Formats: sequence, C-alpha cells, structure tokens
Amino acid sequence: SQTIHQWPATLVQPVGSPLSLECTVEGTSNPNLYWYRQAAGRGLQLLFYSVGIGQISSEVPQNLSASRPQDRQFILSSKKLLLSDSGFYLCAWTMTSYNEQFFGPGTRLTVL
Amino acid sequence: KQEVTQIPAALSVPEGENLVLNCSFTDSAIYNLQWFRQDPGKGLTSLLLIQSSQREQTSGRLNASLDKSSGRSTLYIAASQPGDSATYLCALQMDSSYKLIFGSGTRLLVRP
Repeated sequence: SQTIHQWPATLVQPVGSPLSLECTVEGTSNPNLYWYRQAAGRGLQLLFYSVGIGQISSEVPQNLSASRPQDRQFILSSKKLLLSDSGFYLCAWTMTSYNEQFFGPGTRLTVL
Repeated sequence: KQEVTQIPAALSVPEGENLVLNCSFTDSAIYNLQWFRQDPGKGLTSLLLIQSSQREQTSGRLNASLDKSSGRSTLYIAASQPGDSATYLCALQMDSSYKLIFGSGTRLLVRP
C-alpha cells in the first residue's frame, strides 16, 4: 500500500531564516505531487505541483520554491522566511491512472 | 475562475441524526469532485471521489452525489456518530493536472 510522509511535523523559525520541508511517497512510482498551504482563517491553497522529476509548476507568486530531486521526493524551500509564510503545509499525491488525491500528515510552520 | 462554496460553515447535531452537507461551484466543467474530512491539526482523509461521468458514490454511511449541470454536490451522512465530528471539505479537479480547488469547509459537531 502507498504511504506519504512529511517532516518535520512542527517547526518554529525566525523571520529571515531558511526553510526546507520534505515529503516522500512510498509504494508507488511516477506520482503527481502537490504542495498546499492552509493558513489560519483561510482555505487550502495550492502552491506547487509536479508531474515528474525536475518538473515544477508554481500556482501563486510567493517567497517559496519547490524541487523534485527524485521520483517520490518533493521539497518545499525558502531562502528567507516571512511572517506570512506561517501555516499548515500539506503534501499530496495522485496517480494519473486514478484521480483520487491523498494527503500527508502535514507540517505546522510558525514564523516568529 | 472556479469558486467553491460550502454551506453551512458549521453544523451541530445530536447523535443518530442523518445530515446533508452542501457544496456548490460556479464552473460546471469539472474533471472530478472529491470529499475529505480533516480532524483538528491533522492532514486530510479522502472520503469519496466522484468522477465527472458519475452521479454518486457510496462508502459505508456516506453517500455523495454530483449534479454538474446545477453546480452542486451533497455529502449525506447517515446515523451520525460523535466520531464523525470533523471539518468536511469538498474539492474540485478541473483538468488532468488533478490540482484541487477547495471549498472553505463545513465544521461538524455530533453531540453524544
């Protein structure tokens, strides 16, 4: 069966510090991968998605970037965090043969 | 631009009651519709996926329907239990990228 992991589970970072969040999927190959953010009082917003290694599409202009160095690994990064980057970050995957999307446990990021 | 609305925003019912959660959308040219539940501080759990050619899906006490022409989906929960308490989210896929557009959710409380 497939599983999706995210780490760290929680993170508290000062403004201006770098960020690296990692997501890995097990039990499947060549999935579509997604990063979403859920900010306090706001809905879930898609940040990035990837259909293959090195292929990244950005949905909204922001202070973040994403990379996919391996088939089942998706990384969310920032060089300098802003207060507005605080939120709950969720990674998800989909197989193109079946459209259901599955989510990881999330990373709670607080920028102080 | 697709807009997804979920009504009501919050709902409190006594245990055992049957209930309906509503999701409406402005652009009927959807690919698929997916219902999720989210427990506080947790990731999303997929409940049901309705493909655009389908009108309903059932899983246990859950039944989801889709009416693309009217831009509506409903999630029916039979014989509600306290363990059903969570936020329920509907999300649309508009194309083969399978990116999700979310509604703001319905927060459900089932009282013992």
